[in-house]
Amino acid sequence: KNEVEQSPQNLTAQEGEFITINCSYSVGISALHWLQQHPGGGIVSLFMLSSGKKKHGRLIATINIQEKHSSLHITASHPRDSAVYICAVLLKAAGNKLTFGGGTRVLVKP
Amino acid sequence: NAGVTQTPKFQVLKTGQSMTLQCAQDMNHNSMYWYRQDPGMGLRLIYYSASEGTTDKGEVPNGYNVSRLNKREFSLRLESAAPSQTSVYFCASRRTYNYEQYFGPGTRLTVT
Repeated sequence: KNEVEQSPQNLTAQEGEFITINCSYSVGISALHWLQQHPGGGIVSLFMLSSGKKKHGRLIATINIQEKHSSLHITASHPRDSAVYICAVLLKAAGNKLTFGGGTRVLVKP
Repeated sequence: NAGVTQTPKFQVLKTGQSMTLQCAQDMNHNSMYWYRQDPGMGLRLIYYSASEGTTDKGEVPNGYNVSRLNKREFSLRLESAAPSQTSVYFCASRRTYNYEQYFGPGTRLTVT
């Protein structure tokens, strides 16, 4: 069983819709990373968080340490948000190494 | 700041050939990482370097070697390329105080 599970694996939305991507993990973590990868592109760091909530533009990330769960929300989605979103956790037992989820492929249609 | 840079962007090798992937960062980060990304497998750690002069194996180190040349540069070497090493390779470096990682643009490697 993967230590980091993302859902859904794929998501299609209409422009303007609110999108939620979920990430669950099974062991204790030091921090959680949300990353974005456009098709054929590089990987961009969106958020690093260890508690609470962070917001950047139309993106909001939340984490609940007790429930071992994080969500990434995209408000007023736009076709340029189409990308793969990757959750990665810094496991307490793994030193300074990240463990990655499988990614959620998001397509926003105009 | 250029951030994390990688060369080359694309490479095609024949089985048995060797090559070195170069990575450099200008953010004065201590830790650097090499990952590979394969369809359906997600990102997997090949090697990492917690600081200049140290390197450690990650999840999939077989067939690779690394050199942390100085604080800026971390190279990945394939001594005898195999088709199973066809992948996209990403280098990353990490902020010291909050673990956030910054990724390079990637190298798309095909071994025939």
